Parts: sequence; structure tokens; C-alpha cells
Amino acid sequence: KAGVTQTPRYLIKTRGQQVTLSCSPISGHRSVSWYQQTPGQGLQFLFEYFSETQRNKGNFPGRFSGRQFSNSRSEMNVSTLELGDSALYLCASSLLGYLDEKLFFGSGTQLSVL
Amino acid sequence: KQEVTQIPAALSVPEGENLVLNCSFTDSAIYNLQWFRQDPGKGLTSLLLIQSSQREQTSGRLNASLDKSSGRSTLYIAASQPGDSATYLCATNTDKLIFGTGTRLQVFP
Repeated sequence: KAGVTQTPRYLIKTRGQQVTLSCSPISGHRSVSWYQQTPGQGLQFLFEYFSETQRNKGNFPGRFSGRQFSNSRSEMNVSTLELGDSALYLCASSLLGYLDEKLFFGSGTQLSVL
Repeated sequence: KQEVTQIPAALSVPEGENLVLNCSFTDSAIYNLQWFRQDPGKGLTSLLLIQSSQREQTSGRLNASLDKSSGRSTLYIAASQPGDSATYLCATNTDKLIFGTGTRLQVFP
């Protein structure tokens, strides 16, 4: 069974550009959540999608958005990139997104903003 | 606002030692607490999940305990091995995961 796949693995962008990251969950999983990891702020929750609907959202500006498709694959978009957006972006999937379900994480996308 | 702290921030021990990693949180109204492992440049691997009604969970050489009233959890690693070297993160779960700052563990032969 394939794990959670995130693409691309590395990305370099300049300030002001926008970026789209992709996450393919484990087959059969319908919940996908996104996290940002930085040395200064640690791991922070961005948002969670289930059946193409955003169910929960963290405390991030509107420049950060996401969506989920009917096959449960998810994308997140960051517009007008800032230097502080440089981070490892992780996605995780679970079967139904219940709080007591085990999460399976991808290896992440390392975004560098120059 | 939930704050999760982990002590120590880093730990270096010889192989074979028994270890205790600490996690403290400020808001005891949690559904569960989870422990994860992260290898350099990789995602997280779920280790143990303790429901709010439970006191501990065990998996192999790992044992995690939870004391909601004092806002503390500990991860006990028995007979540590070099392959245990990684960053260990705890996270409380209300409607979303709030992660601690992590403990970077190095086990040397």
C-alpha cells in the first residue's frame, strides 16, 4: 500500500510569487491535513479537508489556501510569498479524520523563498 | 491557548540506556495526546496515542503515560539503540493537533 505522497520534494521561489503543493493520501483515506514546520515556530496546523470540504483551519493569513478533489488528493496554495514562508510543508492523511485515528505523514515539501 | 513544551530540547546517550522524555501542556481539556518520531528531512511517524481517559500506552520498547490533571506526559524508551536517534514530538489533540517543541535524541554506540 503506497504511503502519503507529496510533490514536489523541493521548491525554490522568490518573494511575491505563488506556489502550489500537492498531496496524495493513502488509498481510501478521505481526510487530509496540512502543517507548516519552521525552526522558529515548530510544527503548526494549517487546515484539514474531508470530502472536498475544509473542516478546520489554523491561524494563518488568507494567503494560505487549500482544496481537496473528489479522489481525496489535496493541494495547498500560498500566494504573494514572503521570506517567512520558507518551511517544510507536511501533509497527513487518515481514514475519516476522527480525532482518535492514526495519522500518516508524507515526507514533505521543502519550500525556500528567496 | 494551548502551549506544549518538551524537555529536554536535546539528549545524547550511550546505547542501552533507558530514557525519559517529558511533555507538558497548559490546557487539560484534550481528547488525546500523541507521540511522534521525525527523522531528519522526513515526515512524522506516529508512535503512540493515549486517549484522555487512559493513563498509558505501550508499544514494544516504548511506553507513554498521561497525567491530565498535572498537564504532563512522559515517553519512556527502554534499552535505547542507535536506530532510536531522531526528534520526538508530542502533540495534544482538541479539534486540531498542537505540537511541542521536540526533543532531539542521539543514541551513540
